[in-house]
Amino acid sequence: NAGVTQTPKFRILKIGQSMTLQCAQDMNHNYMYWYRQDPGMGLKLIYYSVGAGITDKGEVPNGYNVSRSTTEDFPLRLELAAPSQTSVYFCASTGQMNTEAFFGQGTRLTVV
Amino acid sequence: DAKTTQPPSMDCAEGRAANLPCNHSTISGNEYVYWYRQIHSQGPQYIIHGLKNNETNEMASLIITEDRKSSTLILPHATLRDTAVYYCIVRAPLNAGNMLTFGGGTRLMVKP
Repeated sequence: NAGVTQTPKFRILKIGQSMTLQCAQDMNHNYMYWYRQDPGMGLKLIYYSVGAGITDKGEVPNGYNVSRSTTEDFPLRLELAAPSQTSVYFCASTGQMNTEAFFGQGTRLTVV
Repeated sequence: DAKTTQPPSMDCAEGRAANLPCNHSTISGNEYVYWYRQIHSQGPQYIIHGLKNNETNEMASLIITEDRKSSTLILPHATLRDTAVYYCIVRAPLNAGNMLTFGGGTRLMVKP
């Protein structure tokens, strides 16, 4: 049971480039989330999904897109990367009932 | 979502109990209180959660006041490995996305 897996772990992007951060969970969870964490700050919600085919914006969605075509995968797309998107990105998932959310180990992204 | 207020930092002597307070005065009747911690820049780790009764597990105890407007996380015998940022979170209901909204947390320093 791998839990929540994020790839890549590290990435350096140039301004204007695009990339997709991958997130996969093997727990058959309906709810999945993307957060970003800037240095010394708490996590901020970017996008979330309550099930396959359903996504919604969180607190800081600008500059990002998501899709949820399967229960297992919830990729986060960055278009036209900007230095302000330099951050650590965490993916999380949780089941239907009020149970703990599991987090991935994060993707550290630097935009230069 | 209900907001939480935590002290930004606390110290604790190794082997002593660490008592971390949290205020959540706007919590609704069906919202749970969750506690997570984050060590260095790892993914947040679940500790415990509760609705209105006190809860205990192998990691910690959670004491929720009768009016549910505040709670305390207790680490009974703190070790150096408990040094981390601790987040108190009021979780959104299932029909509102079920997400965890992170504040600034409390940075707990356990000292020898």
